[in-house]
Amino acid sequence: AQSVTQLDSHVSVSEGTPVLLRCNYSSSYSPSLFWYVQHPNKGLQLLLKYTSAATLVKGINGFEAEFKKSETSFHLTKPSAHMSDAAEYFCVVKGGGGLTGGGNKLTFGTGTQLKVEL
Amino acid sequence: DVKVTQSSRYLVKRTGEKVFLECVQDMDHENMFWYRQDPGLGLRLIYFSYDVKMKEKGDIPEGYSVSREKKERFSLILESASTNQTSMYLCASSLRTGSTNTGELFFGEGSRLTVL
Repeated sequence: AQSVTQLDSHVSVSEGTPVLLRCNYSSSYSPSLFWYVQHPNKGLQLLLKYTSAATLVKGINGFEAEFKKSETSFHLTKPSAHMSDAAEYFCVVKGGGGLTGGGNKLTFGTGTQLKVEL
Repeated sequence: DVKVTQSSRYLVKRTGEKVFLECVQDMDHENMFWYRQDPGLGLRLIYFSYDVKMKEKGDIPEGYSVSREKKERFSLILESASTNQTSMYLCASSLRTGSTNTGELFFGEGSRLTVL
């Protein structure tokens, strides 16, 4: 079984300060991990993904995440927040088992709402 | 550009009505998904299809059915809508997962359904 826990439901930062969104995972297999972003009234968009290559993954819009197996974590960071980063962020784990037809099961976290203040 | 289109962005229905939510993708993806999104619960998988006419139940299939008659189209059906089905519904698609494909999902913009 696999699961993902997003440790904060809401995070508030000032524009220009660092962003840290925390995610811990549990998986019986070597996982693939993703971060998705959802802006208001929009669908989800992929920010970045880890698939057992480099442990530090760079994504779009200056975001990056580091896979730490010893801590079972995949935290999302950005050095300097921008107003346009205000959105909901989802951590997702994909394990080796699950749905047939090659559609491995994805498990979504409950989301972290990022607020960016002036 | 990759595109998943959900035909209805906002719907208001009455209890007991039959509801159809349509989703079309133009990427020739094998896999298509219907998720439900509720505040504080994240996304929960309702149904999944990995090929035409093939479907699998997700985590919360009760009260829902699906149809996939063509590769590009995946429909979610609420046979008799109830107020607890008021939610945001998200359709997604992906390539069939393989050694060179991580199974990244491409999402539509969502259909917000209100059942009165």
